[in-house]
Amino acid sequence: GNSVTQMEGPVTLSEEAFLTINCTYTATGYPSLFWYVQYPGEGLQLLLKATKADDKGSNKGFEATYRKETTSFHLEKGSVQVSDSAVYFCALSDQAGGTSYGKLTFGQGTILTVHP
Amino acid sequence: NAGVTQTPKFRVLKTGQSMTLLCAQDMNHEYMYWYRQDPGMGLRLIHYSVGEGTTAKGEVPDGYNVSRLKKQNFLLGLESAAPSQTSVYFCASSYLQVLNEQFFGPGTRLTVL
Repeated sequence: GNSVTQMEGPVTLSEEAFLTINCTYTATGYPSLFWYVQYPGEGLQLLLKATKADDKGSNKGFEATYRKETTSFHLEKGSVQVSDSAVYFCALSDQAGGTSYGKLTFGQGTILTVHP
Repeated sequence: NAGVTQTPKFRVLKTGQSMTLLCAQDMNHEYMYWYRQDPGMGLRLIHYSVGEGTTAKGEVPDGYNVSRLKKQNFLLGLESAAPSQTSVYFCASSYLQVLNEQFFGPGTRLTVL
């Protein structure tokens, strides 16, 4: 079955530090990959996505590249801010056969705390 | 445009009690989903619906029932609550044409004693 594995957290950084959150996946077919973010007390929001190999998703200074050869989709940001403190979820949707109905498989989430 | 709303925000139940969680969306989305979020486990799909009057089981459906009588509403029921159902419950919805971009509600924190 499908699975998503994220790096263990929590991650604590100082403002303006470089961020990497690792994500690897196992899936049949050719999945689409996503990063969702959950700010304190809120639901999840889509941060970025990539639908095929070598695609780069980007939003709000965050980037992730779909690497099929390493089955990875690592999230990066060059300079984090206090406002980036949140929980980050990597997810995939397996489109094989067109019957996934948009179902997402999530990783366990990584808590990011950024200090001034 | 309120997006996806959930009622209630918090609830405490005793073992064996029943309750219904309500999810409403005003974006005319065809697809709706119920997830539960537990520490260290990410989100897991409980049930989903691909349209009014249809529902299907997700990854962890046992102990839950759902109904989608109207396109904008998706109800999650617990007939006899158990401590193992203590969790945060999220509802989400998506367009038929953009299935993967799901819009989430703020969540319901449920504690079963």
